[in-house]
Formats: sequence, structure tokens, C-alpha cells
Amino acid sequence: EIVLTQSPATLSLSPGERATLSCRASQSVGSYLAWYQQKPGQAPRLLIYDASNRATGIPARFSGSGSGTDFTLTISSLEPEDFAVYYCQQRGNWPYTFGPGTKLEIK
Amino acid sequence: EVQLVESGGGLVQPGGSLRLSCAASGFSFTNYWMSWVRQAPGKGLEWVANINRDGSEKYYMDSVKGRFTISRDNAKNSLYLQMNSLRAEDTAVYYCAAGVNGYRDYWGQGTLVTVSS
Repeated sequence: EIVLTQSPATLSLSPGERATLSCRASQSVGSYLAWYQQKPGQAPRLLIYDASNRATGIPARFSGSGSGTDFTLTISSLEPEDFAVYYCQQRGNWPYTFGPGTKLEIK
Repeated sequence: EVQLVESGGGLVQPGGSLRLSCAASGFSFTNYWMSWVRQAPGKGLEWVANINRDGSEKYYMDSVKGRFTISRDNAKNSLYLQMNSLRAEDTAVYYCAAGVNGYRDYWGQGTLVTVSS
């Protein structure tokens, strides 16, 4: 099973700042990595797929990069609605797995 | 509008059974792989099971193999999860999710399964 680790566990920033979230895989997943956003009481929402492609309707301030084992989600300028938990997910091998999440909180 | 509506959750004793259902609308159900993903209270996400478009391929996480069965009825635009021999560690919100590849574009709001005596 491919294990995903995310850092930091919690990120405290202010609106308007830039957020950089990391995801590392225990073995290469190529570009088969996605990012999801989840707000309290809501289902996850797909943001980025195949490492760098924005899903339908996702604002341009969200971008993804990386390949192999190291990936990054960047939010260029934080909006109030961006404070949430972010999960990475790999589809390189079954079982598909999620990282433990990064909580992005308001500073 | 895309909708995935789960039902069938509830309180069940350890060793018991439960069948979850998911009614899909607003998209071409037969074109999508379907999945169940769960989230224990206050915890992260776990991918439980996958089923392909025509139901001929099914995949399970190790801890539910032999206990859970995923199925779909394309005529009814519905997805199911039969859960047997339930354990306390199966307690979670179970989400129904749809996607055309290994990612999930559409999600339901989830149904809570609580396994407790």
C-alpha cells in the first residue's frame, strides 16, 4: 500500500497570504495524484487531478505541481472560504489512499 | 444538477449487517466508476471499495475484504454497499462518490454508520 504523508499538519495563515501544502508518497505514483478540500460537515471537493490539472470550476488561485513522490498544492492568495482541510490522494496503485490531511486555519 | 444521495446508515451491533444505498441523478451514471469512501469521526478519508462501469470489476480495501460487497444497478442509477460482520472500527460516515478515472468528481453528503453495543 502506498502511504501518503502531508506537511505541515496545521498551517496558520492570514487571508491574502500564499499557502504551500506538501504531500509525499512512499513510492512513485507518477502524476497520479489529486488534491481535495473538505470543510466541516461537508463532503470532499476535488480541486486538482493528475498533479497539476484544475478540476471544473476551481479558481485559478489553486495550483498543483510535482511528480513521482513529491507534490505541492499552492493557493496563491488565500480567500476566507479557503480555510479548510486539504487531502492528497493517489491512484497509482490499488488500494487508492489518502494522506492524513493538512488543516489550513486562519491566523 | 448532480446529486448523490446515500441512505441506510444507522446504529448496529458488532457482528451485525447493514446495506447502504446511493441514488444518483444529474449525470450519466453508466459512464462513471463508483466508490464508497469512509471517514471515521474526526479522522481522515479511507477508500473502501470501487466498482467499474458495468459492475464486472470490484476492488476492496484489505480490512473489508470478505465482509463488504459493492454492487450497482445501472437501470436504477443506484450504488450499494452490503456490510456484514461489522466491527467498531467500521464506524464512520460513508460517502458515495463518482468519477471517470481514479479520482472522484462527485460526492454525496454521507450516511453515518455506528457500530456499537
